[in-house]
Amino acid sequence: GAVVSQHPSWVICKSGTSVKIECRSLDFQATTMFWYRQFPKQSLMLMATSNEGSKATYEQGVEKDKFLINHASLTLSTLTVTSAHPEDSSFYICSARDWTRERTTYNEQFFGPGTRLTVL
Amino acid sequence: QQQVKQSPQSLIVQKGGISIINCAYENTAFDYFPWYQQFPGKGPALLIAIRPDVSEKKEGRFTISFNKSAKQFSLHIMDSQPGDSATYFCAASSVKAGGTSYGKLTFGQGTILTVHP
Repeated sequence: GAVVSQHPSWVICKSGTSVKIECRSLDFQATTMFWYRQFPKQSLMLMATSNEGSKATYEQGVEKDKFLINHASLTLSTLTVTSAHPEDSSFYICSARDWTRERTTYNEQFFGPGTRLTVL
Repeated sequence: QQQVKQSPQSLIVQKGGISIINCAYENTAFDYFPWYQQFPGKGPALLIAIRPDVSEKKEGRFTISFNKSAKQFSLHIMDSQPGDSATYFCAASSVKAGGTSYGKLTFGQGTILTVHP
């Protein structure tokens, strides 16, 4: 149980194009999903918190017009990197909280397998 | 004040040995301290987590030791195996923060563990 998937697992695109990454909770409902970015040999940096049915909350320094987040249902959140540039190349990881388990597992987040984005 | 400092940056241990990774935090509002294991090209996976009402938690070969007064916590991996070779991250979050800060994880810098056979 508590599986999170991401699609695609890797993507290569040309500079200036937009890329959409999907994050799905497969066997639970997630009112909250988080999006992280990880550069090689570095830690995870939180980009934004996505709540179902409402606007995402972005961390300081993250351009909300460049990284569009939509959380339209309890099992799906999407991250769209608009007008991607080589500096956006990174490993993007989502996580989700199972709201029905919050009282027993406190703040446990389940992470997806990540999406490797390469912008040429 | 939101930082979580992790050490060492890298660690080499012989098979069967004990691996110890340390983390320190400043924010006294943190009340949830998980450890994650990440293999190359994969997302992090929760190993074990602790809340500040206990000083130690053990699950199999993995133990978290927590020192609330020192604001430090550590991961001990007993009988380390080559399959444990991965990057380990400590993290911290606060439920009491509420609002948009609720549940946000702050990660340490990571420790690359190599277990030699």
